[in-house]
Amino acid sequence: DTEVTQTPKHLVMGMTNKKSLKCEQHMGHRAMYWYKQKAKKPPELMFVYSYEKLSINESVPSRFSPECPNSSLLNLHLHALQPEDSALYLCASSQRSGAYNEQFFGPGTRLTVL
Amino acid sequence: DAKTTQPNSMESNEEEPVHLPCNHSTISGTDYIHWYRQLPSQGPEYVIHGLTSNVNNRMASLAIAEDRKSSTLILHRATLRDAAVYYCILRDSNSGNTPLVFGKGTRLSVIA
Repeated sequence: DTEVTQTPKHLVMGMTNKKSLKCEQHMGHRAMYWYKQKAKKPPELMFVYSYEKLSINESVPSRFSPECPNSSLLNLHLHALQPEDSALYLCASSQRSGAYNEQFFGPGTRLTVL
Repeated sequence: DAKTTQPNSMESNEEEPVHLPCNHSTISGTDYIHWYRQLPSQGPEYVIHGLTSNVNNRMASLAIAEDRKSSTLILHRATLRDAAVYYCILRDSNSGNTPLVFGKGTRLSVIA
């Protein structure tokens, strides 16, 4: 199984809602990532988890809260988002977080904030 | 992170070879050169990576200049499915934590 799955595929939420994005992999990878991609722009790194511990937070606003409950799962909790947070949210995983490790990406969750 | 420079867009005819260039004049000795691509409406996917020597895999070849200041991704026979944005990314092997930092990439169009 060389797949990263993300749910939901699409999400529409209001600015006062609380929602969560989920990401799952069963490749035994110990590094997992969240990226944000705006339309016609490259993906931007948000968070890196290595061995279930947060190792990089790219100065992401606190309305985005990541969680890694176990080595296969990665969540992104959303609260009080703004319309400018509408984007494609991509999850990725790799065996380790080092430079020679290939990252596997999921198809993304397309988020719209009204 | 060391920077890369790629053309904004390129065009190729189907079934012809494609050479996608990348300049990285400030590359350090410990930087790996990675290529990823993103097909329309999909997440990025790994293509190939190398350090100093040329590399081949089932998807593509990577040719690295002797001074490592540039590299070229080679698709041997472009198909319509290869139309995507191609990203050239440097990753420092000295650091235990080296996430992907995407630049603007090259948008490849393939004409039937």
